[in-house]
Amino acid sequence: AQSVTQLGSHVSVSEGALVLLRCNYSSSVPPYLFWYVQYPNQGLQLLLKYTTGATLVKGINGFEAEFKKSETSFHLTKPSAHMSDAAEYFCAIGRGGADGLTFGKGTHLIIQP
Amino acid sequence: EPEVTQTPSHQVTQMGQEVILRCVPISNHLYFYWYRQILGQKVEFLVSFYNNEISEKSEIFDDQFSVERPDGSNFTLKIRSTKLEDSAMYFCASSDREAVNSPLHFGNGTRLTVT
Repeated sequence: AQSVTQLGSHVSVSEGALVLLRCNYSSSVPPYLFWYVQYPNQGLQLLLKYTTGATLVKGINGFEAEFKKSETSFHLTKPSAHMSDAAEYFCAIGRGGADGLTFGKGTHLIIQP
Repeated sequence: EPEVTQTPSHQVTQMGQEVILRCVPISNHLYFYWYRQILGQKVEFLVSFYNNEISEKSEIFDDQFSVERPDGSNFTLKIRSTKLEDSAMYFCASSDREAVNSPLHFGNGTRLTVT
């Protein structure tokens, strides 16, 4: 079975500060990893994904994440937070085929002015 | 940009009633999914659908649930006899390839309230 754990249900940073959202995974097979963002009253939108190849992946809105197999982690970062980044962020894992993704519990990102 | 659309945006029903949640996936997509999110909790996978049949379903997707693609454009989730604990936001998603190779496009969800 695959699972992801997101550390911290709420993260608060100041505008302009570094954003770091943590995700650790468990998988018996090479994982496919994703970060999705959910704005209020909307569906989820893909930020970025790791399947194979380069372990540092860049996504939309200036976000990036690094796959670290030795640490079983896929943390999401952004160098400088904007007010518009305030949202719920979900880490997810998949194993291929037509199977669905397994999502973490989400981290609510709060941006302080 | 093409969107996944879900109707209604909010549905209120009484316990024991049947509900059908409707989704129109993006037209050239082949893989379809239902997820749900109970208030304050994580997004949970319910079912995936490909080639006119269920590919995978979770433990949540018991005999009370069914999915259908009745006419080549709609993708529906039916809950036969709703329970209070079925109250949640239900998201439909679609993709043109397998979920790990193509982003899931989510609809804005249907909020189901069971009273």
